[in-house]
Amino acid sequence: GAGVSQSPSNKVTEKGKDVELRCDPISGHTALYWYRQSLGQGLEFLIYFQGNSAPDKSGLPSDRFSAERTGGSVSTLTIQRTQQEDSAVYLCASSLAAQGLANYGYTFGSGTRLTVV
Amino acid sequence: GQNIDQPTEMTATEGAIVQINCTYQTSGFNGLFWYQQHAGEAPTFLSYNVLDGLEEKGRFSSFLSRSKGYSYLLLKELQMKDSASYLCAVRYNTNAGKSTFGDGTTLTVKP
Repeated sequence: GAGVSQSPSNKVTEKGKDVELRCDPISGHTALYWYRQSLGQGLEFLIYFQGNSAPDKSGLPSDRFSAERTGGSVSTLTIQRTQQEDSAVYLCASSLAAQGLANYGYTFGSGTRLTVV
Repeated sequence: GQNIDQPTEMTATEGAIVQINCTYQTSGFNGLFWYQQHAGEAPTFLSYNVLDGLEEKGRFSSFLSRSKGYSYLLLKELQMKDSASYLCAVRYNTNAGKSTFGDGTTLTVKP
């Protein structure tokens, strides 16, 4: 597509429920990233994909968080047994590639605002 | 860690020039990005530096000194719409892929 698409744009869930967040990157972008941003804070890295594999999962906060990417395209971030501290804006970004010295700036989606009540 | 430091807030006057500084850990450095984020919106890419020097793009310029671990974003002829958060992000290691973000500098442009 023309841009990075994320759904849902807003999600309110009860504590303890599972949620799935979806990201559809720009067509042809091999690298896909998940970040989260709490109110007034910077971006916290979660995970990144090169194709369908995830070379770096170091930012996932706990084993309640998982992500997958299929067909080198759509990615899903799943949070199990949500907690109130999971409330944040979850941002997905894609770039042409991830390796090398070239300018592979991110194109971000509009994010999913997750509120756990 | 890979601390990326930028001022939390800055205020400037419409029509003026403002410089937003960013310092970072130099070990493994492989590129620096600046993004603009308006309140409630996603960040958008502004500039990229990997070699020392100044990159100019219209009213915005970005400077890098790799030896000093220092960058700045220069905004000229400020407009009210430039009020936003400006994020400095550093890519470490050629194969790491991800960028590490600073907490951002909130710029307020006043009439």
